Amino acid sequence: AQTVTQSQPEMSVQEAETVTLSCTYDTSESDYYLFWYKQPPSRQMILVIRQEAYKQQNATENRFSVNFQKAAKSFSLKISDSQLGDAAMYFCAYRSAGAAGNKLTFGGGTRVLVKP
Amino acid sequence: SAVISQKPSRDICQRGTSLTIQCQVDSQVTMMFWYRQQPGQSLTLIATANQGSEATYESGFVIDKFPISRPNLTFSTLTVSNMSPEDSSIYLCSVEGASGRRDYEQYFGPGTRLTVT
Repeated sequence: AQTVTQSQPEMSVQEAETVTLSCTYDTSESDYYLFWYKQPPSRQMILVIRQEAYKQQNATENRFSVNFQKAAKSFSLKISDSQLGDAAMYFCAYRSAGAAGNKLTFGGGTRVLVKP
Repeated sequence: SAVISQKPSRDICQRGTSLTIQCQVDSQVTMMFWYRQQPGQSLTLIATANQGSEATYESGFVIDKFPISRPNLTFSTLTVSNMSPEDSSIYLCSVEGASGRRDYEQYFGPGTRLTVT
């Protein structure tokens, strides 16, 4: 079974600064997908960014980028130019490739606090 | 992209009773899932809701406690039966295979916050 670990329970960042969230995972599979989800206090889970394991290029979505290290099984999220609206819980998630309906396995989450 | 709604958004229930949560999508999707998020915790998959057949449950979750229906490609229900305070959680519906989205991406509904007293 796959496991996902987020070692930072909470991170604090100054507005306009950069913060990096760590995620490691354990799998014996070679093809899979990785995601970062954001959950603000409203509790709606929002997909922030995704990475296909077969792609070497790191994904970017506006101010969000990832550092995907497949050999190290590491998948960190960088939030640049942090904004007050970025304050939320962030969850790293893993999904096996292949068949439809494969479940997401989530890490424990990292709370991001943004200081004005 | 799919718009996902859940009803109710929150409820407070007495122990021993049951609550049915609805998940409605505004377009057909391939897969629907139900997750539980206990207070201060991460998300855990309860089951995959299969259209026209019995749901597929994860280890630790059973049909008698969490019966699930999926009568069509846009709707599913999760019932939390014979509730106890330990069932107090947020229950989230997610979908996969929405039109205009990558077929491996899951999108979530707003969640149902359940408190059992």
